[in-house]
Amino acid sequence: DQQVKQNSPSLSVQEGRISILNCDYTNSMFDYFLWYKKYPAEGPTFLISISSIKDKNEDGRFTVFLNKSAKHLSLHIVPSQPGDSAVYFCAASRNTGTASKLTFGTGTRLQVTL
Amino acid sequence: DARVTQTPRDKVTEMGQEVTMRCQPILGHNTVFWYRQTMMQGLELLAYFRNRAPLDDSGMPKDRFSAEMPDATLATLKIQPSEPRDSAVYFCASGRTGAGNTIYFGEGSWLTVV
Repeated sequence: DQQVKQNSPSLSVQEGRISILNCDYTNSMFDYFLWYKKYPAEGPTFLISISSIKDKNEDGRFTVFLNKSAKHLSLHIVPSQPGDSAVYFCAASRNTGTASKLTFGTGTRLQVTL
Repeated sequence: DARVTQTPRDKVTEMGQEVTMRCQPILGHNTVFWYRQTMMQGLELLAYFRNRAPLDDSGMPKDRFSAEMPDATLATLKIQPSEPRDSAVYFCASGRTGAGNTIYFGEGSWLTVV
């Protein structure tokens, strides 16, 4: 039972354009959502997060949008850069602030082309 | 530069052998997670500890896997006997209650069972 789903295994975007990565979840108890970025042969690194009390969080080129009614979140990267090429994991948790376990999606591989 | 440290980075072993992976969480973090990355499942939670006590190990095959925290600076994941289907990357991550839901990953232990 995949509670967090990333239905696009891969995405290719031209440098300078917008990258939009999508994530859906099924468990309505999730109240905190995160995006992690992973380069080959490295561990995932935290990118950006959002609490369920918000619908948008922005950090530089990265913005996460949350639509609770649709149980959907998305990560926007503008403008996309070649260094953004990586696998992006969406994650969700309950009990904000307690370092609770994260449930991850299967990841989306982003390729930013020149 | 605080980080999660994992050993070994790479391990090739024969089927039936015992494998032990070790993790040193970030100093001051009281929650430790073991995740496994596979192509099909993405990042799946095997077990996690808070203040050295196991909170959830439902993702772990109990007959061959065991996880412990002998002290606050060391977490271990043991597989005995190992099987080819255990081949994966095993990640340790740590976090701290009261400091948000972000957890920080090590670089992973790449296990190959032949």
